[in-house]
Amino acid sequence: AQTVTQSQPEMSVQEAETVTLSCTYDTSESNYYLFWYKQPPSRQMILVIRQEAYKQQNATENRFSVNFQKAAKSFSLKISDSQLGDTAMYFCAFMILNAGGTSYGKLTFGQGTILTVHP
Amino acid sequence: GAVVSQHPSRVICKSGTSVKIECRSLDFQATTMFWYRQFPKKSLMLMATSNEGSKATYEQGVEKDKFLINHASLTLSTLTVTSAHPEDSSFYICSARARTTGYQETQYFGPGTRLLVL
Repeated sequence: AQTVTQSQPEMSVQEAETVTLSCTYDTSESNYYLFWYKQPPSRQMILVIRQEAYKQQNATENRFSVNFQKAAKSFSLKISDSQLGDTAMYFCAFMILNAGGTSYGKLTFGQGTILTVHP
Repeated sequence: GAVVSQHPSRVICKSGTSVKIECRSLDFQATTMFWYRQFPKKSLMLMATSNEGSKATYEQGVEKDKFLINHASLTLSTLTVTSAHPEDSSFYICSARARTTGYQETQYFGPGTRLLVL
């Protein structure tokens, strides 16, 4: 079974500063995706960033980037130039790809980290 | 991006009644939809996987007869909470897997339904 662990229940950061959210996972699979999702107070889940395990290059999306360490099974999210709108609960998630490269789409979520951006 | 809607957004019902929640993919076909339950400030707990035209696959500990799932078309899945009780009060979220090939797997989430059972 796969597990995803987010060890930081809550984090806070000043506006315009940088913050890093931690995530570790455990799996015996070699072919998978990792995701960070954001859930603002509206509770709508929003995809922040995705990383394919076969790619060595870390994914980036504007102010969001990841540090993917496959051997260490670590997948941290860095938010640069934090904005008030980044205040949300952030979930790290894992999805297995089957041998054919397609997946059943089942996500395993971490416990979540509540991030508060202060003005 | 792809849009998933849920209806209703919130519902209050009396104990013992049944409640149906709809999940629709508005601009894409979804062969697979997922139903989650979320308690305040907690993670999403997968309840079941809904595949179009076949029976849903329930996660361990989820009562099949209590949480009825139907995926009658490529754009609609429904979750019916039967004989609801106060402990069923929660936030229910659906997601849809886009019908794509290749490696760009993504789940698109609905806005959620808040259920309160009195």
